[in-house]
Parts: sequence; C-alpha cells; structure tokens
Amino acid sequence: GENVEQHPSTLSVQEGDSAVIKCTYSDSASNYFPWYKQELGKRPQLIIDIRSNVGEKKDQRIAVTLNKTAKHFSLHITETQPEDSAVYFCAAGGGATNKLIFGTGTLLAVQP
Amino acid sequence: NAGVMQNPRHLVRRRGQEARLRCSPMKGHSHVYWYRQLPEEGLKFMVYLQKENIIDESGMPKERFSAEFPKEGPSILRIQQVVRGDSAAYFCASSPLERGFGQFFGPGTRLTVL
Repeated sequence: GENVEQHPSTLSVQEGDSAVIKCTYSDSASNYFPWYKQELGKRPQLIIDIRSNVGEKKDQRIAVTLNKTAKHFSLHITETQPEDSAVYFCAAGGGATNKLIFGTGTLLAVQP
Repeated sequence: NAGVMQNPRHLVRRRGQEARLRCSPMKGHSHVYWYRQLPEEGLKFMVYLQKENIIDESGMPKERFSAEFPKEGPSILRIQQVVRGDSAAYFCASSPLERGFGQFFGPGTRLTVL
C-alpha cells in the first residue's frame, strides 16, 4: 500500500545551524508534497508544500526539494532558531488518491 | 476568516458510550478530512468528505465509526460504543481543493476513554 518513510526520527542542532529532514514515498502517482509543523499539544500547521511540476521551492528560511525519479523529498531549514523546535511531518498525496499519507514525524530540537 | 474549528477540545467518555466530534471547515472550504493521531505517532487518514457525500472512507474502521458532512452545519465524526483503544487526538482538516491539496487543520479533539 501507500507508504511514506521519514528520517531521522529525532534531530538536534545548534541554533544557527541547518536542519534537513528526508522523506521517501511509494506511490509514484503522488504529485503533492506538503510539510507540517506541530508543536506540543497544538494543531499541525502547513509550512510549505510543493507540487511535482517543480523541483524546489523556497520560503525565507525553509525550502523543499523534490526528486520524483527517486521518490524523495526533503525539508531544509537554515539559520535555525529555538522556536523552530517542534515535530515536523512530511506527507504525500494527489494523483489518483484523495488523501494525504503522512510520515512518522521528526522531532527537531534547536539548542540555544 | 476564522480557521478550522473543532469542538469539543477535550472529551472524556466511559467505555460503551458514544463520542461525537464536530468540525467546522474554513469559510469557502468544501472538502473535509478526518485524521487520528495516537500519542507520539503520526497522523492517520480516516475519511474524506464533501458536502453530503463521503468520498473516501478507506481509513475508517468499518464498525462503530461513522462520519457525515451535511448540507448545513459542521462535519461530525461519530464513534459508538467507545473502547480504550479509541483514546487519541482526532483532527479534522479542510481544503478548498480536492485530492488532498492545501489542507488546514483544526485544533483537534482529544478523546479519553476511561
């Protein structure tokens, strides 16, 4: 069935460093790849998304890259700040399906 | 434009009771998705609805769970005869687009079954 794998499960970086989270998906028909940030006890918040017709998208300190051939996509956060600390989820969807399949999440801790 | 609203935020039920969770999508959004999140786990798709129609319920258990999105009013996720394993956070998301694009999440309902 459809599956999204996400790595690493935990990531600790120093403030100011970059953080990279990687996901792979199994359904080759997927064409929509959003990223969500979830703080403890809060709702998931959409922070950036990309469609399969582009290979990269950037919004200030965050960027997402997509390699459709390899079925990989990644989230890059530069100049990390303590308020970036949260759980980040990738997801894949679109195509023939109506739903998003989520990865298992990455707990990012930014050390001041 | 208010975001996605869910109520109640917290719900406590005893085993065997019914739980009814409500979701009001963002204004202009006609697509509603329900997800379940167990502690320290990811979001699992349950059901996708448009007004008056269930489009995809492939993630929803076939027994005890049902969902609706009537012409007027919020979407409802109903769990009958709750069991301890139903304890989780239930999130709904809404979107103006189909196929899962552009989903915005509500604050969730945290269900505890005693």
